[in-house]
Parts: sequence; structure tokens; C-alpha cells
Amino acid sequence: DVKVTQSSRYLVKRTGEKVFLECVQDMDHENMFWYRQDPGLGLRLIYFSYDVKMKEKGDIPEGYSVSREKKERFSLILESASTNQTSMYLCASSLSGRGPDQPQHFGDGTRLSIL
Amino acid sequence: AQSVAQPEDQVNVAEGNPLTVKCTYSVSGNPYLFWYVQYPNRGLQFLLKYITGDNLVKGSYGFEAEFNKSQTSFHLKKPSALVSDSALYFCAVRDGTGFQKLVFGTGTRLLVSP
Repeated sequence: DVKVTQSSRYLVKRTGEKVFLECVQDMDHENMFWYRQDPGLGLRLIYFSYDVKMKEKGDIPEGYSVSREKKERFSLILESASTNQTSMYLCASSLSGRGPDQPQHFGDGTRLSIL
Repeated sequence: AQSVAQPEDQVNVAEGNPLTVKCTYSVSGNPYLFWYVQYPNRGLQFLLKYITGDNLVKGSYGFEAEFNKSQTSFHLKKPSALVSDSALYFCAVRDGTGFQKLVFGTGTRLLVSP
């Protein structure tokens, strides 16, 4: 089975801090994704990457950046954390190059609180 | 742009009864549709997908979904609900770009009472 591991389940940070969320997948997937999940809003895509060192903005990239230096690792960075970034963050990965039907595999999420 | 709508925030059903969780979609081109389930404090788990072929798609844990092109719907169903099916369910559609991005609905909470 595909394993997507997010480094922290719960994280508490202070306003203005630089925050790193890490995600590692073990199935050699090309695509990786970062979402945030908020009640009533579902999942919203922040950034995704389809290859090492490649990144694309999703629907809500403001205030975030990403890094993908190795195929298995995709990091989400909050440059200067703000209280409106308090949320559940979900990482996902999927195969590419085999048609549009590859499901995404999700980690268990990081619940981030910004105080 | 692709979109999905889940019109019900919550669905309540008694154990043993059939359940339906509704989803409608809007796409340009062929629809590629997915259902995911999220249990408390967990990430999303893939349940099933519709790409082409039979309108009735079978998935994990006894769930199935019916694709209806004329009604642009992709409702999730199960003949007999279990208390353990209580969770948050998301419908999603592949977006129209060449990347494998998904557009998710807002989710429906399913509560199955004993």
C-alpha cells in the first residue's frame, strides 16, 4: 500500500513564525499535492508538484511556498504564519502519465494552530 | 471550470437501511469522478471512481456509485448502512488541465445510528 507520511499530526506556532510542514511518500509517485481543509469549504489546493523541482500554484497559494528537492518529499512553507492559516493541512500523491484515473493517496493530516 | 456540488451537509440513516450521498458535477469534456471517505483525525481514503463504461461503479467497503450523465450526478450508495460507515464523504472531479488535479466538493457528513 502507498504510504504518505506527514511529519506532525498537531503543530502550534506563533504569528510571524516561518513554519515547515513535511510530507514523504514511499511509492515513487510523480505528483504531490498540498491541500488545506476547513469546515464548510472542503479541500482547497494550495500547491502541487508534478516532478522534482517543479511546482505549480493551486487555488489558494498566497502566503505559502513549497519545495520539492527529492521525488519522495514535498514541503509546504508558511513564510510568516498568520492566524487565518490555522487549519488542517493534507498532503497527497499520485502516479502520472497513465491517464486521468489515478487516485490520490493522502496522509493523515497536520492540524496547525497559529496563535 | 470543473466543479462538484454536495447539496447535503449531513445525512442521517439508521443501521441496516440503504444510504445515498448526493453529488452533482459540472465539467467540460469527459467527467472523471471520484468518491473519498474521511474518518475522524485521518486523511482521505479513496473509495471508487468513474472514468468510463458501466454507470454503476463498485468500490471499497460495499459502496457503489451511480453515474447519470443526463442528470450530471454521481451519487454514492450502499444497500445496508453500518455504524462504522459514519464519516465525512467527499465527491471530486478531475479538473480540465493536463495535471491530475482534483476539485473537491464541500463534503457530506454521514451519521449512521444503531
